[in-house]
Amino acid sequence: EVQLVESGGGLVQPGGSLRLSCAASGFTFSRYGMSWVRQAPGKGLEWVSTISGSSNTTYYADSVKGRFTISRDNSKNTLYLQMNSLRVEDTAVYYCAKYSNGYFPYNCFDPWGQGTLVTVSS
Amino acid sequence: DIQMTQSPASVSASVGDRVTITCRASQYISSWLAWYQQKPGKAPKLLISAASSLQSGVPSRFSGSGSGTDFTLTISSLQPEDFATYYCQQANSFPFTFGGGTKVEIK
Repeated sequence: EVQLVESGGGLVQPGGSLRLSCAASGFTFSRYGMSWVRQAPGKGLEWVSTISGSSNTTYYADSVKGRFTISRDNSKNTLYLQMNSLRVEDTAVYYCAKYSNGYFPYNCFDPWGQGTLVTVSS
Repeated sequence: DIQMTQSPASVSASVGDRVTITCRASQYISSWLAWYQQKPGKAPKLLISAASSLQSGVPSRFSGSGSGTDFTLTISSLQPEDFATYYCQQANSFPFTFGGGTKVEIK
């Protein structure tokens, strides 16, 4: 069974940093693109970033470009999101999501992790 | 960026009703469209990929159609477990974008 488990969320002040992790199991991690998608409280879904299986290619939403960095460690089956210069508007539940199949770069997400809440507030 | 417009924003329906949700892309996306179901406090779940491909384990009362810019998700006979929020997502180009969501509520 494919499992994705996020961790690393919490309360941080504006301007601060946080690193999210997503531990993957149940599939050959290195063969799939992975993404982060966020959801602000009571709002819809917003794609944040995507990384290829080999880490060669990354994509970012304009809203996080230059502040967030996606990475992965295929030896540890773990996806990361380094978030710097955090803003109040970055407050959201952050989900990691596996690409539904091995095709890259265009794809949909299946499955998703349970999410981790990031709150940016003073 | 490709804008995804979902309608309606909410729909009130009864068990057994047929429910149709539409999603319109601001530009051509071929069949690069997915549909997700999200229940309160839970992660989204993929229902349909490539506009009309039903995911394994998803009940056959769910179906998707369309291509180009106009897409539809249909629930043929609404069941109690289907009350949730539904999102479309375009996977044609970056940045990937989602529709605003359609909340299916109990009438």
